Amino acid sequence: AQSVAQPEDQVNVAEGNPLTVKCTYSVSGNPYLFWYVQYPNRGLQFLLKYITGDNLVKGSYGFEAEFNKSQTSFHLKKPSALVSDSALYFCAVLRQGGGYNKLIFGAGTRLAVHP
Amino acid sequence: EPEVTQTPSHQVTQMGQEVILRCVPISNHLYFYWYRQILGQKVEFLVSFYNNEISEKSEIFDDQFSVERPDGSNFTLKIRSTKLEDSAMYFCASRNTDTQYFGPGTRLTVL
Repeated sequence: AQSVAQPEDQVNVAEGNPLTVKCTYSVSGNPYLFWYVQYPNRGLQFLLKYITGDNLVKGSYGFEAEFNKSQTSFHLKKPSALVSDSALYFCAVLRQGGGYNKLIFGAGTRLAVHP
Repeated sequence: EPEVTQTPSHQVTQMGQEVILRCVPISNHLYFYWYRQILGQKVEFLVSFYNNEISEKSEIFDDQFSVERPDGSNFTLKIRSTKLEDSAMYFCASRNTDTQYFGPGTRLTVL
């Protein structure tokens, strides 16, 4: 069965420091991986995805993620955190079947960036 | 930039009542989804919809739930007789390619 794990409930980082939000996955076949962000009282906003190709993918708001097949990981990173990055971050894997494709989400990691 | 919209943003209802949650997907998208997030828990898949029929549904999506695309723009989720445990945030999503775009959600509170 396909699954996603986000081992940290919360990540705290000082503004200007690099940040990493961890995600590991378990899938059969080639993974399609996504990161979404949820700001308070808002929906899930797409940040970036890995489908194929370069292991380092770049997304919105300066975020990037590195796909590591041997470690089955897809960690989200940003070189310099902003207070406005504080939000709930979800990693997800696309379960493909019959072309209809549902997302399986991790539990989410709350990122808190302190001034 | 086109967005998925959902109404209402918050719905309060009594147990046993019917509710209809509404979504307007992005206009050229063909695949539609409902997910839900119970407070403090994961986002869970409920149902996918394509070509005017359900293509997949989860175990949660029992006979109390139904979906409909009544016209060319709206996509609705109906819960016939709400239970306390249906209280959650309900998200609509749509896609054309591999990326699903989500609406802002409807918070459903069942009293």
